[in-house]
Amino acid sequence: QSVLTQPPSASGTPGQRVTISCSGSNSNIETNYVYWYQQFPGTAPKVLVYRSNHRPSGVPERFSGSKSGTSASLAISGLRSEDEADYYCAAWDDSLSGFVFGGGTKLTVL
Amino acid sequence: EVQLVESGGGLVQPGRSLRLSCAASGFIFDDFAMHWVRQAPGKGLEWVASVNWNSVSLNYADSVKGRFTISRDNNKNFLYLQMNSLRGEDTALYYCAKADGIGTGYGLDVWGQGITVTVSS
Repeated sequence: QSVLTQPPSASGTPGQRVTISCSGSNSNIETNYVYWYQQFPGTAPKVLVYRSNHRPSGVPERFSGSKSGTSASLAISGLRSEDEADYYCAAWDDSLSGFVFGGGTKLTVL
Repeated sequence: EVQLVESGGGLVQPGRSLRLSCAASGFIFDDFAMHWVRQAPGKGLEWVASVNWNSVSLNYADSVKGRFTISRDNNKNFLYLQMNSLRGEDTALYYCAKADGIGTGYGLDVWGQGITVTVSS
């Protein structure tokens, strides 16, 4: 069981806006940066959002991250078929003195 | 270009040891913390260990504490993971990853391609 809780699956149709949630606690999300990763089968994860709401160069503006209290979310607007992948949230946990990941959300583009 | 290249993986018997290496290039290595993350077949990501820029702060997941040791050589731009007393549940793809800051509290912004470790008799 993961310290950060994500829905196991999400779906949307092309062009739609989809949001993936990540629920944590006051020892991780509330007090530390949140990171979001995208992973395609057989490849290494890639950072989509760093330090809660910053987007690396090269990541489309369609991807955005936000945080409020002990929860965070990743929003994907203008959904495309190539967005079909696994998405993970992560943050440092002060109580565990370790980095924690969500269980991952498999996004399906219908 | 920032690059992380892992090596040292393979098939090992339970109870034996293995040392993973990660060659870093394209950035000032000792300006950033570094991490190891693993992914068991068909499973999610699991953080394994982290080291801050000057090796003063070392952190481990409970699942590997006392068996694995993370270290770095800032002169050679290498990150290491010494894995002892290996178990079947350590079988995974191991990723070396760069933090986006100097301390271990920062998340991972660049990942290597991963190296496979299989623990089996």
